[in-house]
Amino acid sequence: NAGVMQNPRHLVRRRGQEARLRCSPMKGHSHVYWYRQLPEEGLKFMVYLQKENIIDESGMPKERFSAEFPKEGPSILRIQQVVRGDSAAYFCASSRTGGSGANVLTFGAGSRLTVL
Amino acid sequence: AQSVTQLGSHVSVSEGALVLLRCNYSSSVPPYLFWYVQYPNQGLQLLLKYTSAATLVKGINGFEAEFKKSETSFHLTKPSAHMSDAAEYFCAVSTNAGGTSYGKLTFGQGTILTVHP
Repeated sequence: NAGVMQNPRHLVRRRGQEARLRCSPMKGHSHVYWYRQLPEEGLKFMVYLQKENIIDESGMPKERFSAEFPKEGPSILRIQQVVRGDSAAYFCASSRTGGSGANVLTFGAGSRLTVL
Repeated sequence: AQSVTQLGSHVSVSEGALVLLRCNYSSSVPPYLFWYVQYPNQGLQLLLKYTSAATLVKGINGFEAEFKKSETSFHLTKPSAHMSDAAEYFCAVSTNAGGTSYGKLTFGQGTILTVHP
């Protein structure tokens, strides 16, 4: 039973390029969350999605960042025109349900983005 | 809004010694509290969670945490440290407030645990 799968694990981009990070949730999980971990900091919530719906994007930067979770395929976090400050580890998590704050999230191993 | 403060960004103990990692939270409604562990270049693994049942929560790898409402604390302990416990530990809080009852976690800044032989 595979866990939350993220790819790529490491991504290097030059300033101005686009970064696409993919996340396949655990089997049977239909709720996906993206978190960002900046150096020396804890994880910060970015966005919560269900299939074809963005439920809460209150943690997403207003520009250049977008996320989707299509009916088929993985969830994708897209960062356009990357800047050095986007260098971070991006973690995806999934849960079976979304009905309670007691839900346990299962995290992937993360995608580490380095912007040169 | 909720918040989490982890006191001490680095904690160092000897193998076999008590591990105590401190976590204080702020929440205007009953919280759910979690401890996660992160090993280098890996994702977060759940150690334990408090969801308003027993205040003393036992987790994996011999860890436990006690919810103290009067102190707004949820400190993580382990009686005897092992070398394999060396990792970064995160305390997190979520709630059912505001109609957004889902797994939106607010994390502390993390505590790096070092275990000396």
